[in-house]
Amino acid sequence: SSELTQDPTVSVALGQTVRITCQGDSLRSYYASWYQQKPGQAPVLVIYGKNHRPSGIPDRFSGSSSGNTASLTITGAQAEDEADYYCNSRDSSGNNHYVFGTGTKVTVL
Amino acid sequence: QVQLQESGPGLVKPSETLSLTCTVSGDSISSYYWSWIRQPPGKGLEWIGYIYYTGSTNYTPSLKSRVTISVDTSKNQFSLKLRSVTAADTAVYYCAGAIFGEEAGWFDPWGQGTLVTVSS
Repeated sequence: SSELTQDPTVSVALGQTVRITCQGDSLRSYYASWYQQKPGQAPVLVIYGKNHRPSGIPDRFSGSSSGNTASLTITGAQAEDEADYYCNSRDSSGNNHYVFGTGTKVTVL
Repeated sequence: QVQLQESGPGLVKPSETLSLTCTVSGDSISSYYWSWIRQPPGKGLEWIGYIYYTGSTNYTPSLKSRVTISVDTSKNQFSLKLRSVTAADTAVYYCAGAIFGEEAGWFDPWGQGTLVTVSS
C-alpha cells in the first residue's frame, strides 16, 4: 500500500480553484513532485521541489507544503486540466525509495 | 530535448522473464538517474527502481528479489528485467529520467510507455 494518500476524486467548476492534497510522513522532510496523466498518455511533471514548474506548464499550477501534507493547486481550472494527478516523494524508510500517491481524478464541471 | 523510447515484447508467459529496454536520445546518459515505473490497467503508478550511469541501483522492496536494472552507456540505453512474472505484473511500463536531491526528487522526462501482458 502507498505511503502517500490522496483523495480519489475531486471536482471543480470551470474557472474555479481546486486543491489536491497528498499526505504522508515523508513529506515532513522531502518535497513532493506532481504529475498529470490524461487517458492513454504518459504522466507529465507539473510541479517539483518547493514550487517549480517545468517549461510549458501553465502558471495556474502551483505547489505548497505544510507538515505531512503537500498540495497542488489549480487556480482557474480549464477543461484540459481534467486528468488524474499523482504525487510522488521519497518513502519514510531512509533508503531513497520512492513512492507514488494513490492518485486523484480531477473532473472539471 | 531528452527523449525516451521503451522497447521489448508485449506478451510474456507466466514464470518467464520480462525484458524491456529504454533508449535515451538528446542528452548524455550520465545526466540523470534512470527509472522504471509501471501502471497496471486502471490502477495507479508504482516506482520499480532506478540506476545511475555508474551502475548504482535501488529497487522498491516489494520487487527487489525479482528485478534487475542495468545500463549500457555505449548505447545510451538502460534495461529492466523482471523474473518469474505472473498476471499481476501485467502493466504499462514507463522509463523515466529522474533528478534526486537532498530535499526533492522528480521524474522527467518519461517515455510513452509500453504495455506488457503476462499470459500463456
